[in-house]
Amino acid sequence: DTGVSQNPRHKITKRGQNVTFRCDPISEHNRLYWYRQTLGQGPEFLTYFQNEAQLEKSRLLSDRFSAERPKGSFSTLEIQRTEQGDSAMYLCASSLQSEQFFGPGTRLTVL
Amino acid sequence: GESVGLHLPTLSVQEGDNSIINCAYSNSASDYFIWYKQESGKGPQFIIDIRSNMDKRQGQRVTVLLNKTVKHLSLQIAATQPGDSAVYFCAENWLINNNDMRFGAGTRLTVKP
Repeated sequence: DTGVSQNPRHKITKRGQNVTFRCDPISEHNRLYWYRQTLGQGPEFLTYFQNEAQLEKSRLLSDRFSAERPKGSFSTLEIQRTEQGDSAMYLCASSLQSEQFFGPGTRLTVL
Repeated sequence: GESVGLHLPTLSVQEGDNSIINCAYSNSASDYFIWYKQESGKGPQFIIDIRSNMDKRQGQRVTVLLNKTVKHLSLQIAATQPGDSAVYFCAENWLINNNDMRFGAGTRLTVKP
């Protein structure tokens, strides 16, 4: 257990529905990252926060994806109008310096 | 046992043998490299890191070697144990641009008892 928690751990949804995932980082970590991981592949960077500021979002997969970190602590990742291709593991990581600590991920299945 | 990462995504070794997992990275500007271990159903777990001003770093039973000339990274695991069975990812980062860590595709290590 790295101290990064994610909820829910599993989410099954129907195509077209919106989903939201939550990440609680290690409390003193100011940086928070979201990644997507598909089967057999390494994590793919999506977006990054330093405190509450979203400093990189160009790598979000489409305009259906959005992330927030309103108070610089927990973060949410929302996917609107889900598609079957969104099925993947969504990982959150946090860091204070260079080492990133990953949460257990949220596995999304879109039917 | 030894793998070449993307070209041989699986590596099978006998318990007690040494393992070598290889990785080719892409960005010559990368200055920070990390090896992660990922077990089924879990997030990646940090194993060891190395900065570009070093060519070797040792941890407990693990050694990372960095060859910047050919952009190659390797992870050596000594006396491999069944608990080492997992997928291993190398990741590269450009610390001034810390927001974008790039992962390789991974190598699955299986340790046979």
